[in-house]
Amino acid sequence: AQTVTQSQPEMSVQEAETVTLSCTYDTSESDYYLFWYKQPPSRQMILVIRQEAYKQQNATENRFSVNFQKAAKSFSLKISDSQLGDAAMYFCAYDNAGKSTFGDGTTLTVKP
Amino acid sequence: KAGVTQTPRYLIKTRGQQVTLSCSPISGHRSVSWYQQTPGQGLQFLFEYFSETQRNKGNFPGRFSGRQFSNSRSEMNVSTLELGDSALYLCASSLAGTGKVGTEAFFGQGTRLTVV
Repeated sequence: AQTVTQSQPEMSVQEAETVTLSCTYDTSESDYYLFWYKQPPSRQMILVIRQEAYKQQNATENRFSVNFQKAAKSFSLKISDSQLGDAAMYFCAYDNAGKSTFGDGTTLTVKP
Repeated sequence: KAGVTQTPRYLIKTRGQQVTLSCSPISGHRSVSWYQQTPGQGLQFLFEYFSETQRNKGNFPGRFSGRQFSNSRSEMNVSTLELGDSALYLCASSLAGTGKVGTEAFFGQGTRLTVV
């Protein structure tokens, strides 16, 4: 069975600084997708960034980028120039054939 | 375009009762997935429906069931409720499912179920 581990239950960052959230996963599949989702307090979960396992190039979406290390089964999220609106719980997710596995989440606090 | 709509938003039920939650996906989306979110267990995958068929299933007891209608709307049913079923139930829709095509899942605001 696939597992996703987020080893940092909580992280904090100073506004305008950079923070990296960790995620590791375990799978025997070679073709899959990885996602980072953001869940602000009392608001809907939204997609931050996605990575296709067969692509070596790391995905980037504006201030958000990933460091995808397929051999190490690692998928970390880097948030640059952190903003107050980035404060949320972040979930790393693995998906293969429609069955999703989520990590336990990392609560990110942004300090002004 | 309207987002994913879940009803009701809040629900209080008694142990032993059953409950039905509803999810209306984004127009055109054929895949609907259900998740249970609790502070202790995180986000757990319940099942995924695509074109009225259950395509994937998580590790939940048979008390948890679902269905999808021809208009892609989905319902989730929990029978013989237990205190441990108290959770936020999230529904997500996508065009074809996130697994093989990596399409984005759009989440609803969830239904907060409290079992007393």
